[in-house]
Amino acid sequence: DAGVTQSPTHLIKTRGQHVTLRCSPISGHKSVSWYQQVLGQGPQFIFQYYEKEERGRGNFPDRFSARQFPNYSSELNVNALLLGDSALYLCASSLAIGELYGYTFGSGTRLTVV
Amino acid sequence: GNSVTQMEGPVTLSEEAFLTINCTYTATGYPSLFWYVQYPGEGLQLLLKATKADDKGSNKGFEATYRKETTSFHLEKGSVQVSDSAVYFCALSGGGSNYKLTFGKGTLLTVNP
Repeated sequence: DAGVTQSPTHLIKTRGQHVTLRCSPISGHKSVSWYQQVLGQGPQFIFQYYEKEERGRGNFPDRFSARQFPNYSSELNVNALLLGDSALYLCASSLAIGELYGYTFGSGTRLTVV
Repeated sequence: GNSVTQMEGPVTLSEEAFLTINCTYTATGYPSLFWYVQYPGEGLQLLLKATKADDKGSNKGFEATYRKETTSFHLEKGSVQVSDSAVYFCALSGGGSNYKLTFGKGTLLTVNP
């Protein structure tokens, strides 16, 4: 079985540009969450989606947005990129939401803003 | 809000040494607690979890017990191997409608042969 798939694996963008990151969850999983991991820190929660609806949002500016598609895949969009947006962006999928459902993480997208 | 504080690293041990990585938390309600491991260049893998007080999570020789009285979830392993070298993250997931994971800053473990 395929795990959580994220694309691209690496990306270099210039300040002010826009970026779209993609995530395909494990087959049958209906929830996708996004996390930002800055070098040397723990991941920080950005968004959670379940059944195509936003179910949680972290403390990130409006430049960050996301959506979930009918096939449960998801996109994370970041506008007007700043140098501080450079990080590893992780996607996690789960069957549903709730502590009893484990999260499976993808390998992430490494975004570098120059 | 919820928060997780874990032992600052890096931690360097010799093979077969005993490992403890301390983790304490602050949360409202009764959170679930997790340890995740991140190998170089990879995403996070769930190592173990505990969903209620006094539960012990265990996997691959690692153990952690959910201690509500001390709000702790320390990770232990009796005999580490070189292959255990990685970054370890303690995390919690709050109750109610808040199911996001809140992570600690991570502890880098290096095991030397």
